[in-house]
Amino acid sequence: DTEVTQTPKHLVMGMTNKKSLKCEQHMGHRAMYWYKQKAKKPPELMFVYSYEKLSINESVPSRFSPECPNSSLLNLHLHALQPEDSALYLCASSQGPTSAATDTQYFGPGTRLTVL
Amino acid sequence: GIQVEQSPPDLILQEGANSTLRCNFSDSVNNLQWFHQNPWGQLINLFYIPSGTKQNGRLSATTVATERYSLLYISSSQTTDSGVYFCAAHYKLSFGAGTTVTVRA
Repeated sequence: DTEVTQTPKHLVMGMTNKKSLKCEQHMGHRAMYWYKQKAKKPPELMFVYSYEKLSINESVPSRFSPECPNSSLLNLHLHALQPEDSALYLCASSQGPTSAATDTQYFGPGTRLTVL
Repeated sequence: GIQVEQSPPDLILQEGANSTLRCNFSDSVNNLQWFHQNPWGQLINLFYIPSGTKQNGRLSATTVATERYSLLYISSSQTTDSGVYFCAAHYKLSFGAGTTVTVRA
């Protein structure tokens, strides 16, 4: 089973709202990732968790707050977002650790976020 | 960081045709993947291929690591092959801009 699940599929929020995106995998992977993809562009890395610890933050604004409560779950907490943050948010996982650098990453279906 | 370039940017094929997509990368890598993104946004793993040649049905890929490029071959294309094909390098997955493939019946 190489499935990564993400909820919700779609999310519409106002600029003053607080919401969370959820990602789950049951493949025993120890590295998990958040990517952001704008329309007609490739995905861009936001965060990497390795063994439940944040290992990479690609200079993402603090209105995005990641959390890894356990090895199977990854959340992305959203607060005070801007309309330009509207995008497809993709979660991925790999066997890890990231230092191995030789792992296949498996992606979830994404959450399509619209900020009004 | 590593730079990844894909060509061509767009490809229009008649059903049944064969095609080759190219990915050049700026530095040596020990992680290179090819993905197909369907119209709903799902990124589907095609190949993990830091070097060598692999085949999966009508798709095959070759990476020549010493020359810093990878090729994805689509044979006997079908309309379901339409979508965007990305290559991505390095464990932080630096993506190329993608090749948009349209297969016409």
